[in-house]
Amino acid sequence: AQSVTQPDIHITVSEGASLELRCNYSYGATPYLFWYVQSPGQGLQLLLKYFSGDTLVQGIKGFEAEFKRSQSSFNLRKPSVHWSDAAEYFCAVARPRDDKIIFGKGTRLHILP
Amino acid sequence: NAGVTQTPKFRVLKTGQSMTLLCAQDMNHEYMYWYRQDPGMGLRLIHYSVGEGTTAKGEVPDGYNVSRLKKQNFLLGLESAAPSQTSVYFCASSYGGYLLEQYFGPGTRLTVT
Repeated sequence: AQSVTQPDIHITVSEGASLELRCNYSYGATPYLFWYVQSPGQGLQLLLKYFSGDTLVQGIKGFEAEFKRSQSSFNLRKPSVHWSDAAEYFCAVARPRDDKIIFGKGTRLHILP
Repeated sequence: NAGVTQTPKFRVLKTGQSMTLLCAQDMNHEYMYWYRQDPGMGLRLIHYSVGEGTTAKGEVPDGYNVSRLKKQNFLLGLESAAPSQTSVYFCASSYGGYLLEQYFGPGTRLTVT
C-alpha cells in the first residue's frame, strides 16, 4: 500500500539557516509527490509537486524539493529560512487507483530568532 | 473570490447531538473533499465528491455522511456525535482529481463532550 513517512515531528532552525525536511514514500510505480504547508490557524497550501521529468522541483516561497528514486525520498529544502516559514509541512503521495492523496503526519518547523 | 469557506469556525456538541458542516467554493471546482486533522495523525480523508450529485468514501468515513446537491457546496453531517469525532475538519476543492492542487478552507474546530 502507498504510504508516506515524515521522520521528524519537530525541527528547529535559526533564522537565516538552511532547511531540509525529510519525506520517504512507499509506492510501486512512479509516484506523484507533493509538499503542502499549513500556517498556524490556516488551511493547507500547495508548495510544490513532482510528477515526472527534472528531479529538482522549484516551488513557491523559495522552496525546492528533490526526488530521489533510489532512496524513495522527496526532501524539501530552503537555503535560508525566514521567521514566517514557521509552520507545519506535509508531504503527500497520490494514489491513482482510487483518486486520492495520502498525507504524511507532518513536520512542525520552529524558527529561532 | 472568497475561495473555500467553511461554516461554522468553531462548535461544541454534546455526545449524541447532530450537526452539519458547510463547505462552499466559488472557483467552479468539480472535486471537493472533507478531511479531519488530529494531532500526530496528519490529514485523513473522510469523504469526497467528483462532481455535483456524487459522493464517495475516503479513509475514515464511519460516523459521517455527506451530500453534494449543488456544485459549489459540500456538506458534512454527523448524525450522532461521539467524543472520537473531536477534531479539526478541513474542506478542500480542486479543478480535477488528485493530481491538481487542492485549495483548502480555514477549518472548523469541533469538540464533542
